[in-house]
Amino acid sequence: AQSVTQLDSQVPVFEEAPVELRCNYSSSVSVYLFWYVQYPNQGLQLLLKYLSGSTLVKGINGFEAEFNKSQTSFHLRKPSVHISDTAEYFCAVSLMDSSYKLIFGSGTRLLVRP
Amino acid sequence: DAGVTQSPTHLIKTRGQQVTLRCSPISGHKSVSWYQQVLGQGPQFIFQYYEKEERGRGNFPDRFSARQFPNYSSELNVNALLLGDSALYLCASSLLGGRSGNTIYFGEGSWLTVV
Repeated sequence: AQSVTQLDSQVPVFEEAPVELRCNYSSSVSVYLFWYVQYPNQGLQLLLKYLSGSTLVKGINGFEAEFNKSQTSFHLRKPSVHISDTAEYFCAVSLMDSSYKLIFGSGTRLLVRP
Repeated sequence: DAGVTQSPTHLIKTRGQQVTLRCSPISGHKSVSWYQQVLGQGPQFIFQYYEKEERGRGNFPDRFSARQFPNYSSELNVNALLLGDSALYLCASSLLGGRSGNTIYFGEGSWLTVV
């Protein structure tokens, strides 16, 4: 079975500081990897995804993530955060032969302070 | 273009009642999935429908059922509601169903409170 672990339930950071949100996954087969963001009282929006190829993936709003197969990690980074980045961030995986089914982590709340 | 639309946005039901949630996918999308997000947790997969057929089911009891219509819209039904069914129910759509890793788009969800 596949699982996703987001070790940090909340990450406080000051505006314009860099941030890294950690994601580790467990799977015996190859997976696709995703990061979604959820703003208050809204649905999920895709930030970026890794399907294959370059392990450094760039997404929307200045976010990027790096796939590390040996460490089974897919950490999300942004070099300079804004107040508007305050939201819940979810890491997810899917199997390649059933990519309609996303398996989510428990989420990390990013709190950006002025 | 309209995104994934869901209705109702909020509803309150009593234990033992039944509820129907509705979803319209993005135009042209043939795959619809349903997820349950309990407060403080990540979404959990309930169902996926592609071309009007159930293609995947998560670990949910038979009280949960769904269907997809010829226009690709979908309904999620939950019978005999329990307090633990209180959650945000998310509908998601994608162009294809299966192996491509195509982007899955989510609606804003239906908040269900069971009292």
